[in-house]
Amino acid sequence: DAKTTQPPSMDCAEGRAANLPCNHSTISGNEYVYWYRQIHSQGPQYIIHGLKNNETNEMASLIITEDRKSSTLILPHATLRDTAVYYCIDPTGNQFYFGTGTSLTVIP
Amino acid sequence: NAGVTQTPKFRILKIGQSMTLQCTQDMNHNYMYWYRQDPGMGLKLIYYSVGAGITDKGEVPNGYNVSRSTTEDFPLRLELAAPSQTSVYFCASRTGFQETQYFGPGTRLLVL
Repeated sequence: DAKTTQPPSMDCAEGRAANLPCNHSTISGNEYVYWYRQIHSQGPQYIIHGLKNNETNEMASLIITEDRKSSTLILPHATLRDTAVYYCIDPTGNQFYFGTGTSLTVIP
Repeated sequence: NAGVTQTPKFRILKIGQSMTLQCTQDMNHNYMYWYRQDPGMGLKLIYYSVGAGITDKGEVPNGYNVSRSTTEDFPLRLELAAPSQTSVYFCASRTGFQETQYFGPGTRLLVL
């Protein structure tokens, strides 16, 4: 079973920042937190991952709390193409457990 | 690079039939994975492999078999298809531990 907790759905206005939270309170000290998204029924697409420090790439930013029990994915300027299901993953060794994720709808 | 490719894209099986879902990656990744995704649900891990000749069970392995004879290929075998195996199947690969997984486009399987 998934070890993370995410809200089932969120809306965001186009052009605004989308902040997607995730709780991973049982994460072990050496495990990264990964974020993926899935558009329609396509294969999941990697967004970003991090261990302790905040991370940023061309797609998003990842803010990880100091105790590492939660994180927030930030899409700085959401577009309609960002409408998708977003998964936060706390792996166990080689295994990734996907929960049901957060369905983000970007509204025009 | 083509990345991760899966065949077929869609298949209808009758109950009790068998088939092999193919997965190939051209990125020389050591780790490969098979997931299934039921409607409205997240992905569940079926089997994974950390290198040629090495496979291990995931969360939902019953009714499936895998083999890994080469680095590139990781086929998934269904021996006796059941309606409960109706799902979308995704293959993924990555270079190693703590690296990113890259997913294929999926295979839709309908068992009637």
